[in-house]
This record gives sequence, C-alpha cells and structure tokens, in this order.
Amino acid sequence: GESVGLHLPTLSVQEGDNSIINCAYSNSASDYFIWYKQESGKGPQFIIDIRSNMDKRQGQRVTVLLNKTVKHLSLQIAATQPGDSAVYFCAENVDAGNMLTFGGGTRLMVKP
Amino acid sequence: EPEVTQTPSHQVTQMGQEVILRCVPISNHLYFYWYRQILGQKVEFLVSFYNNEISEKSEIFDDQFSVERPDGSNFTLKIRSTKLEDSAMYFCASSASGGPNTGELFFGEGSRLTVL
Repeated sequence: GESVGLHLPTLSVQEGDNSIINCAYSNSASDYFIWYKQESGKGPQFIIDIRSNMDKRQGQRVTVLLNKTVKHLSLQIAATQPGDSAVYFCAENVDAGNMLTFGGGTRLMVKP
Repeated sequence: EPEVTQTPSHQVTQMGQEVILRCVPISNHLYFYWYRQILGQKVEFLVSFYNNEISEKSEIFDDQFSVERPDGSNFTLKIRSTKLEDSAMYFCASSASGGPNTGELFFGEGSRLTVL
C-alpha cells in the first residue's frame, strides 16, 4: 500500500533526531490540511490536521506548520523513532468538500 | 479499535473482466469513499457516497465504475471491464459525521488490483 515510485523523495534521519517533511500545495482555496502516514501494506493513517485560520498546530511529538503566503505545509516529528519510518502524504480539502487532494509523498527512513 | 476492512487484499484479473472490490466501513459511519493509488503515483479521489447516492466523483470515475451499498454493512466498487491502467491499490474510507475536514476519515488497508 505504499507509494514506491522512482521519484519519491526520501528523508533519512538518525533515530532521536527531529524530522521535517515538507509539502507544497497549489490550490489557494484549500482551507483544511492533513498529514497522513502510510506504512508498508497499509492504508493512509491520520497524523494531524490544521485549518487555514491557524499557522501551527501541535500533537504528540508532531507539529504541523502552515504558511498560506507561499502555500507550504510542513510536518515536524520530534525525536524520530524507527516506528516513524513510512511514507508521509499531505492532503488538502476545499470548503468542506468531499474530496481530499493528496501530495506526492515523502519516504522517511529512520536509522537506528 | 474499529477499522475499515477491505477484501480482497490482492486480485489479479484479465483485461476486460469485471471486478468487485468490497469494503466494510466502520459501523456507525455514514460517509463512504473510494480512492486509488497507481504504483508510484499520488493517492487520487474516485468517489464519495452518502445517503445511498454518489455525492461527488472525479474524472477518473467514468462509466466503467460504479459503487453500491447493497446492505447495511458493505460498500462495493465495481469496475465493469477492467483495463491495464486500472491496476492500482484501491482504498476505501469512511467517516461518521461529514467530509474529510472533520478529521475523522479512516482508510482501509487497500485492495491491490492487477490487470493483465
């Protein structure tokens, strides 16, 4: 269930380091954003979300930052663990519509 | 923890054959979705379904595709005459109280379809 394309960006970090995964979105009308984690053989799993009236939101070990000016979203993972190794997708939603538009994904590899 | 379940996990079919992918959404959920992910590409929205009808569909969801909720628990995706380019991982998702922006959209583990 993972995206394993030749062009999937990869971030490799040492266990215990912080990770930052970035996402650029194109639709300036998007007002809700989600980060998903996808482990091998599994479906996307919700990590954290943020609405466009915020620029930062924190969860447990994760922080999402939203910069609407440059249409950029980032996911920060503190003290990265081997279990964080997965493909991470950002997704956007417009005006409470039914559709999520996903980004291309970034593979995070955590070295023990 | 409740989860969305999908069957089969992997199906291999010949081009031109009909395929039905099955999903059992979380039991109290009312909104249902199908997404697909072609190998190496983004996850793409196909269709959303609420109150026994399609609420939105993408350009991918052409006349070859249909969805159905045949009973109180299953949600199916049918591809009438499969093409090679239908090979992908198909994800079912469900939510309880509205669209994706409720933060309660749960995905199944996917059904991999291989069309030969």
